Amino acid sequence: DIVMTQSPDSLAVSLGERATINCKSSQSVLYRSNNKNFLAWFQQKPGQPPKLLIYWASTRESGVPDRFSGSGSGTDFTLTISSLQAEDVAVYYCQQNYSGKTFGQGTKVEIK
Amino acid sequence: EVQLVESGGGLVQPGGSLRLSCAASGFTFSYYWMSWVRQAPGKGLEWVANIKPDGTEKSYVDSVKGRFTISRDNAKNSLYLQMNSLRAEDTTLYYCVREDKNTFDVWGQGTMVTVSS
Repeated sequence: DIVMTQSPDSLAVSLGERATINCKSSQSVLYRSNNKNFLAWFQQKPGQPPKLLIYWASTRESGVPDRFSGSGSGTDFTLTISSLQAEDVAVYYCQQNYSGKTFGQGTKVEIK
Repeated sequence: EVQLVESGGGLVQPGGSLRLSCAASGFTFSYYWMSWVRQAPGKGLEWVANIKPDGTEKSYVDSVKGRFTISRDNAKNSLYLQMNSLRAEDTTLYYCVREDKNTFDVWGQGTMVTVSS
């Protein structure tokens, strides 16, 4: 199975500042036939199911604010919140769908 | 509105069985792969099983193989998870999830399963 490792486990960011979460896969999740990375990002707030933010590593889901962006390819990926808002406090997960379906351990984002 | 509503969770003794159901609405259920994903309280996410739109192909995480069976009824827009030989470590919230864009794009609210004597 592909192991997904996120860093950091938690971070505290001031309102309006940038938040960056990293995700590393134990093997490449780039599907060569269509040049897509099978890597997604989810946001989960307390008491709610996860919400899809980003798929194919960098495509924003419909309705997701443009302060959320995803980047990376192969084995190294990043989720960036360009200007943290109070409603962004949540746990964020990366997930691969290349071989099996596995999630990172989650990164808790808080307000500093 | 696209919606997934799970039911069937509850308290069961170790070694017991439970059947989860998921009612889908607002989209053409028979077009999509569907999954079950679980999450222990305060813990991370674990994919459990998925099923092809026509039901002919199924996959499972190793920890549930031989104990859990995923199925669907496209005429009823419903997804199921039959769970047998339940263990304490199966105590989690179970989400019904639609697959699209090579990921999980629609989630239900979840149904809680507690395995305890």
